[in-house]
Amino acid sequence: QSALTQPPSVSGSPGQSVTISCTGTSSDVGTYNRVSWYQQPPGTAPKLIIYDVSYRPSGVPDRFSGSKSGNTASLTISGLQAEDEADYYCSSYISSSIFVVFGGGTKLTVL
Amino acid sequence: QVTLKESGPALVKSGQTLTLTCTFSGFSITTSGMRVSWIRQPPGKALEWLARIDWDDDKFYSTSLKTRLSISKNTSKNQVVLTMTNMDPVDTATYYCARIKGAAYDFWGQGTLVTVSS
Repeated sequence: QSALTQPPSVSGSPGQSVTISCTGTSSDVGTYNRVSWYQQPPGTAPKLIIYDVSYRPSGVPDRFSGSKSGNTASLTISGLQAEDEADYYCSSYISSSIFVVFGGGTKLTVL
Repeated sequence: QVTLKESGPALVKSGQTLTLTCTFSGFSITTSGMRVSWIRQPPGKALEWLARIDWDDDKFYSTSLKTRLSISKNTSKNQVVLTMTNMDPVDTATYYCARIKGAAYDFWGQGTLVTVSS
């Protein structure tokens, strides 16, 4: 059982927007602005797409955006494209020796 | 340019010890604040954090696996090594090493699939 809760799957049509939630607790997401999101297309390694809730690493399209409210962080992908079909994982800083906890992952299907 | 690459056996037998090496470039693990973790992913399942080593040689392990894991670094070779004892078929997974910057895994290796036979 993962420390952060994500929906198992979401879907959307090309051009639409989808949002993936990541629910934690006051010990992680709710207290620290240290939420990250990773994209993992089939057969590849995860890739960082959002860090510190809403910052994008260089090269990540601005179609990807992150936000947070209370104990829940969200990843929104606008202008959905076929290449966005992948698994998405969130993570959060946690004040313990574990340091970072992951969500269970969400499979995004582009219809 | 930061890169990481995992290496090790693709197949191990039950009861054996697995040794994986993460060879990295583009940064020094002795730089203050630098951290490298090992993370695994069983086929079709989620990411699972295993262990972490910090720039000051502090080491941290997954609570559920800590009795089986050991992590170390070789700064002259730019390597981080993970050993896992008493391997079981449930340990079949792709094993990744990744660098931590701040609280994000900003660079990942390509991963190495390890299959455990019974």
